[in-house]
Amino acid sequence: EDQVTQSPEALRLQEGESSSLNCSYTVSGLRGLFWYRQDPGKGPEFLFTLYSAGEEKEKERLKATLTKKESFLHITAPKPEDSATYLCAVQGGYNTDKLIFGTGTRLQVFP
Amino acid sequence: DTGVSQNPRHKITKRGQNVTFRCDPISEHNRLYWYRQTLGQGPEFLTYFQNEAQLEKSRLLSDRFSAERPKGSFSTLEIQRTEQGDSAMYLCASSLAENYGYTFGSGTRLTVV
Repeated sequence: EDQVTQSPEALRLQEGESSSLNCSYTVSGLRGLFWYRQDPGKGPEFLFTLYSAGEEKEKERLKATLTKKESFLHITAPKPEDSATYLCAVQGGYNTDKLIFGTGTRLQVFP
Repeated sequence: DTGVSQNPRHKITKRGQNVTFRCDPISEHNRLYWYRQTLGQGPEFLTYFQNEAQLEKSRLLSDRFSAERPKGSFSTLEIQRTEQGDSAMYLCASSLAENYGYTFGSGTRLTVV
């Protein structure tokens, strides 16, 4: 069964303190791994799609990487506005378009 | 185009009542998805459409749930005989093609009392 596990569940950082969020997955035939940001009371906001091991993508202070078993979201010198829940999802199999989401990492960045 | 629009934003209903939610996707997106999210959890897949065809339904979607996308544009999700366990955020998303990132709406928060 396809599964996504995110760690840690919650992370508190001081402004400027870099860190990484982990997403480990098991899926039959990975077609894409997705990172989303979700603010309270809002829908998830798309950040990145990664398609194959070794791929990396960057956007401002965020960098996503992918291996055959996990993905990392690296946050460099975070700011308070980076506080949110970060969700990882995988799309796998050949007869489905659905995403399987993890439970997310709740990030709080303090000034 | 202002993105994916969902209405209403909030709905409070009594147990046993029927409710209907509407989703207007990004106009050029032919794929539309419904997800459900409860507090502290990631979104769970319910169903998806390519144009007007409903291509996949989750086992979570009991016979009390029905979704339509009659002209391949907006979609509705109806829940009949609501139960307290139906309380959740219902999210709609659209996509241009498979493997593209979805664009989510802000969701409809349903509270069943």
